[in-house]
Amino acid sequence: GAVVSQHPSRVICKSGTSVKIECRSLDFQATTMFWYRQFPKQSLMLMATSNEGSKATYEQGVEKDKFLINHASLTLSTLTVTSAHPEDSSFYICSARSPYTDTQYFGPGTRLTVL
Amino acid sequence: GENVEQHPSTLSVQEGDSAVIKCTYSDSASNYFPWYKQELGKRPQLIIDIRSNVGEKKDQRIAVTLNKTAKHFSLHITETQPEDSAVYFCAASIGAGGTSYGKLTFGQGTILTVHP
Repeated sequence: GAVVSQHPSRVICKSGTSVKIECRSLDFQATTMFWYRQFPKQSLMLMATSNEGSKATYEQGVEKDKFLINHASLTLSTLTVTSAHPEDSSFYICSARSPYTDTQYFGPGTRLTVL
Repeated sequence: GENVEQHPSTLSVQEGDSAVIKCTYSDSASNYFPWYKQELGKRPQLIIDIRSNVGEKKDQRIAVTLNKTAKHFSLHITETQPEDSAVYFCAASIGAGGTSYGKLTFGQGTILTVHP
């Protein structure tokens, strides 16, 4: 399957700092990428849809000023968690939608721990 | 919006047995139904998918069936092996057009354990 990379894989930060997570589509140009959050032993919860060249579409209940999404190119989307708090600690996963098959390919995820 | 319900939440089988996981969806506009396998701490991996113009699809030991009228779809794994142990997620997606294009709604997940 297609390769989607995510960086960093793990990050530990202090409360109040900001953390940027990068998601790259390595095999195809992705006009649409998605950001998910996954709590332990739970399902994937969609946070937002990232559209290249336009503003992200956030799901209900997700604070757009706290979770900043930028889709600057057809292969890169970034998620910035601003003013992080311990409750933001989670596993964040991105995905890229193939323009050929509509299939979503997932990145390896980023484990964020906020102290 | 779309709501996907998945059952059972846990499933334990003996090696060689079959495993079946069922999902229902609420939005009749959904027309793409993928299944993902996720091992602990890893990314979800697509194992099979089906579109609404097809009733059944098979890939070796894995098959998916879709009943559009009843709005449910199922994953069937035959001849299970210990390496099939993982969490399995179903998902539903609304078709092309609009801001919801390609957006996946996931089921709650099923923890499958295959005992040797």
